[in-house]
Amino acid sequence: DQQVKQNSPSLSVQEGRISILNCDYTNSMFDYFLWYKKYPAEGPTFLISISSIKDKNEDGRFTVFLNKSAKHLSLHIVPSQPGDSAVYFCAEGLGDKIIFGKGTRLHILP
Amino acid sequence: DTGVSQNPRHKITKRGQNVTFRCDPISEHNRLYWYRQTLGQGPEFLTYFQNEAQLEKSRLLSDRFSAERPKGSFSTLEIQRTEQGDSAMYLCASSQVGGPITDTQYFGPGTRLTVL
Repeated sequence: DQQVKQNSPSLSVQEGRISILNCDYTNSMFDYFLWYKKYPAEGPTFLISISSIKDKNEDGRFTVFLNKSAKHLSLHIVPSQPGDSAVYFCAEGLGDKIIFGKGTRLHILP
Repeated sequence: DTGVSQNPRHKITKRGQNVTFRCDPISEHNRLYWYRQTLGQGPEFLTYFQNEAQLEKSRLLSDRFSAERPKGSFSTLEIQRTEQGDSAMYLCASSQVGGPITDTQYFGPGTRLTVL
């Protein structure tokens, strides 16, 4: 049973608009969540994280929101830029391990 | 650049052969992780080391897989008697315990294995 679910395999957003990537989780005993970004032929790159005691974390154009009652996590990118086109992985940090979702492919349209 | 490096980047082998991959972590990092990623999936945890000690192994890591980190620096992942189902991207990551961002893991570019 998948602990971290990214239900949208892909998303297309116009350049300059807001991109919203969603993630649902089942395990309430997490320590933190992370978002990773992956370009083709490269390893995942850490983007932003949020601990279990917060409901929002912001870093430049990237903001992660955590709704613990709904067991839902989202990543907002605003404004979206062409270089944001990549696969985004939501991941749950539990102790020393990270459990990844299947990823959402984001396409930024010109 | 002092990021995580992996060699080789690509490996094509015939079923039944043994293969070995190498990972060089970021030099000051004491933790090293191995993941496997197949098409349409996120990276799946295989095993990790703290210094030279292997602390956890996933049930995904069958007896044909062995990982070592003999001196607490680079690590090797060996797959014996490869099967077609072993075809995947093998990713290595490293982190520093007690690091500034929840022990953030930094990934290498991966080794893509194709078993014919």
